[in-house]
Amino acid sequence: GQQVQQSPASLVLQEGENAELQCNFSTSLNSMQWFYQRPGGSLVSLFYNPSGTKQSGRLTSTTVIKERRSSLHISSSQTTDSGTYLCAMATNAYKVIFGKGTHLHVLP
Amino acid sequence: GALVYQYPRRTICKSGTSMRMECQAVGFQATSVAWYRQSPQKTFELIALSTVNSAIKYEQNFTQEKFPISHPNLSFSSMTVLNAYLEDRGLYLCGARGQGNTGQLYFGEGSKLTVL
Repeated sequence: GQQVQQSPASLVLQEGENAELQCNFSTSLNSMQWFYQRPGGSLVSLFYNPSGTKQSGRLTSTTVIKERRSSLHISSSQTTDSGTYLCAMATNAYKVIFGKGTHLHVLP
Repeated sequence: GALVYQYPRRTICKSGTSMRMECQAVGFQATSVAWYRQSPQKTFELIALSTVNSAIKYEQNFTQEKFPISHPNLSFSSMTVLNAYLEDRGLYLCGARGQGNTGQLYFGEGSKLTVL
């Protein structure tokens, strides 16, 4: 079946360190998104990134469609970055499938 | 901008009763709406994908009899969890996509279901 593999499952950083989150897809994809899930459960869309590199502040997303992978880079992490990050791929059938998430904990 | 309002935010219901949740798209036409469930300690599972003027497609393990969905126009969709039991608890999200948009979903805030 279609799978989205997200790594690492969890990550603990000291404030100021950088983080690299990865997503790999087992099938061809049409596009992908990165989300931050708030403690209450709602999703914040970080990037809609079909291909290439996008940057927003300290966050950078890079998607390489032909290699079926995407990454999210967080530079100079802050304690407020702690939480769950999810990647989601859109298949050619326009279904969106989520990864299991990376639980990030940034220590002061 | 594109927004999706989802309600209710939280519901507590007794086993065997039903819960209905609604999504309203604002600022764009929601040609397709996907409903997801995040069970405790799990990621989001796709329940069904609804596209206006097409049949609703349910994923394996989810049925119309259990999760009936209505998508009557380009701004509104609803889903009901019928005869809810403990295994149905979790966060339900709707994600809507506009016409011509190939993949980006705009999500509501979610409806959290607790079953007693």
